[in-house]
Amino acid sequence: QEKVQQSPESLIVPEGAMVSLNCSFSDSASQSIWWYQQHPGKGPKALISIFSNGNKKEGRLTVYLNRASLHVSLHIKDSQPSDSAVYLCAVSPASSSFSKLVFGQGTSLSVVP
Amino acid sequence: EAAVTQSPRNKVTVTGGNVTLSCRQTNSHNYMYWYRQDTGHGLRLIHYSYGAGNLQIGDVPDGYKATRTTQEDFFLLLELASPSQTSLYFCASSEQGAYAEQFFGPGTRLTVL
Repeated sequence: QEKVQQSPESLIVPEGAMVSLNCSFSDSASQSIWWYQQHPGKGPKALISIFSNGNKKEGRLTVYLNRASLHVSLHIKDSQPSDSAVYLCAVSPASSSFSKLVFGQGTSLSVVP
Repeated sequence: EAAVTQSPRNKVTVTGGNVTLSCRQTNSHNYMYWYRQDTGHGLRLIHYSYGAGNLQIGDVPDGYKATRTTQEDFFLLLELASPSQTSLYFCASSEQGAYAEQFFGPGTRLTVL
């Protein structure tokens, strides 16, 4: 059973700071890794995904995947108060033939003006 | 944009009560999922389905039944609710394929007294 661990549990940063969120997983053959954002009282919403080793940039977001170290990180540049939310890392196991996701416990981010 | 709706948004019941949570998606997606979200555990998969009449067991199925009546509608049934089932429940849908994005509903908060 795939295991996903996120760190830190919570983070408070000033507006404009670079935010770095970490996620470790247990299977180097995992098919895809997703980052979801969840605002209070809302369902999770996909932010960015990565399938291959390396990095991927979309706007203010950059994700780095290193399968050898079983680690993926999400970096948010120039953070805004609207980025305050819970960030969930989700991994699709190697054995799955559909979009099964195993989620980490989340990192709560607060961006203060 | 993809649309997943859930009802009710909040539900309070007593131990031993019957509860049905409803989910509808208008994305024409084959796959639908039920998750529960608890502090410290992240999102955990209860049941999923890949079409009308189909049901598959997830990672935490004990105490839950589910039924997929149409491509759009997926129901989660708690026939003898227990306090341990107090949680936030999310429904999601996705296209077929291991790399497909999951789209989530707004959630149902269930309290079992």
